[in-house]
Amino acid sequence: GEDVEQSLFLSVREGDSSVINCTYTDSSSTYLYWYKQEPGAGLQLLTYIFSNMDMKQDQRLTVLLNKKDKHLSLRIADTQTGDSAIYFCAEAGNQGGKLIFGQGTELSVKP
Amino acid sequence: DAGVTQSPTHLIKTRGQQVTLRCSPKSGHDTVSWYQQALGQGPQFIFQYYEEEERQRGNFPDRFSGHQFPNYSSELNVNALLLGDSALYLCASSLGSSKGETQYFGPGTRLLVL
Repeated sequence: GEDVEQSLFLSVREGDSSVINCTYTDSSSTYLYWYKQEPGAGLQLLTYIFSNMDMKQDQRLTVLLNKKDKHLSLRIADTQTGDSAIYFCAEAGNQGGKLIFGQGTELSVKP
Repeated sequence: DAGVTQSPTHLIKTRGQQVTLRCSPKSGHDTVSWYQQALGQGPQFIFQYYEEEERQRGNFPDRFSGHQFPNYSSELNVNALLLGDSALYLCASSLGSSKGETQYFGPGTRLLVL
C-alpha cells in the first residue's frame, strides 16, 4: 500500500544543519515533496524531487533521494529560529493528484 | 498573484449540523483538492475536482461531498457532523489533475464540532 513515515521530533541549535528523514513505499516513479507548516497556518511548498533524481539543491535546502531504500531526506543548512515548524514529506499517489503525507517532523531550533 | 484562499478561517458547529467550506484556487489553476488534517497528524486526502467533476476520492464517507464551479472555485460540504470531524480543512490547487502536478495550499479552515 501507500505509506509515508517520518520521525516525529528533531531539535538542533541555531547555525547547525538539520536533517529530516522520510521513507515511502510506492515503488513506481513518483514525485516527492517537502512542505513546511508553521503554527496555525497552511502548508508551504519548500521543494520537490522526481524519483529519477538523486539530489536537488535550492539555497539552504538539499534533498537527497535513495530510491533503492525508498528514503528521502531534507537537509537545512545554517538552521535559523525561523525554521522552527513542522515539516511534511509527501508522495504523489499511484493515481491522479492525490498526495500522501507523513505525520510530520517537528523541528525545534534553539538559540 | 493571489494565492489559494479559503473561507471562513474558523467555524464552530454542533453535532448533526451541516457545514460548507469554500476555496478559491491560485490564479491560473484549474484543479482543487481537499484534505483533512486532524491535530498532530498529516493531511489526509478527501477528494479532487477537475473540470467540475470529482476525479479522485480518498477514504471518506459520503457525508463529505464537494462541488467545483465554472470559475474553478470549490466547496466542501460535510453533513451530519461528528465530533471526529473537528480538524483543519486544507484546500490545494494545481494546474491539471495528473500525478506530479504541484499542489499549493491555502491557510485552511479550522472546524470545531461540539
